[in-house]
Amino acid sequence: GAVVSQHPSRVICKSGTSVKIECRSLDFQATTMFWYRQFPKKSLMLMATSNEGSKATYEQGVEKDKFLINHASLTLSTLTVTSAHPEDSSFYICSAFTGGRGNQPQHFGDGTRLSIL
Amino acid sequence: GDSVTQMEGPVTLSEEAFLTINCTYTATGYPSLFWYVQYPGEGLQLLLKATKADDKGSNKGFEATYRKETTSFHLEKGSVQVSDSAVYFCALSETGGYNKLIFGAGTRLAVHP
Repeated sequence: GAVVSQHPSRVICKSGTSVKIECRSLDFQATTMFWYRQFPKKSLMLMATSNEGSKATYEQGVEKDKFLINHASLTLSTLTVTSAHPEDSSFYICSAFTGGRGNQPQHFGDGTRLSIL
Repeated sequence: GDSVTQMEGPVTLSEEAFLTINCTYTATGYPSLFWYVQYPGEGLQLLLKATKADDKGSNKGFEATYRKETTSFHLEKGSVQVSDSAVYFCALSETGGYNKLIFGAGTRLAVHP
């Protein structure tokens, strides 16, 4: 089945550091990728929709200068948390979608746990 | 806007008990409906889906039927196992081209031997 690889799985870094998270579709081409944030014991909050070759679409309240998204190819999207602070600590999950109408499922990565000290 | 409401957890059951997790939705169009499962420390896995009214999704003993008249998509399993312990998310996919998912709050299931 469709596989999405997310890397790294866990990051611990100092406040002020920028952190890059990669999301790769391993056996299919992903025209659209999504980035979610999940707080402890909470649901997933969509941060942005990333389309290959174009600018990401951010959800209301998400700072696009803080969370930089690049979708340079059909198999790779990256999320960079710039100048991270403790409040950015969270579980970030990406998903990939091949395209088509809304009845196609998204395929999720295993997530990245980001801890800012 | 579109939304998904799930029953609050945690749900605690003994092994081999019957499971129901309620899910209702609000949508202006004709969404597709999904159940995802999240095991501790992992991302989400698609459990089952239904794309139109009266469709029944099933996988690994879990079932859910798309009920348009009651706007529901309740998850059921006849006999749960300890390995089913996880968080279950109901979600809908809006009509249109972007396949954006709207998730419910999630229901934590704990199954004890």
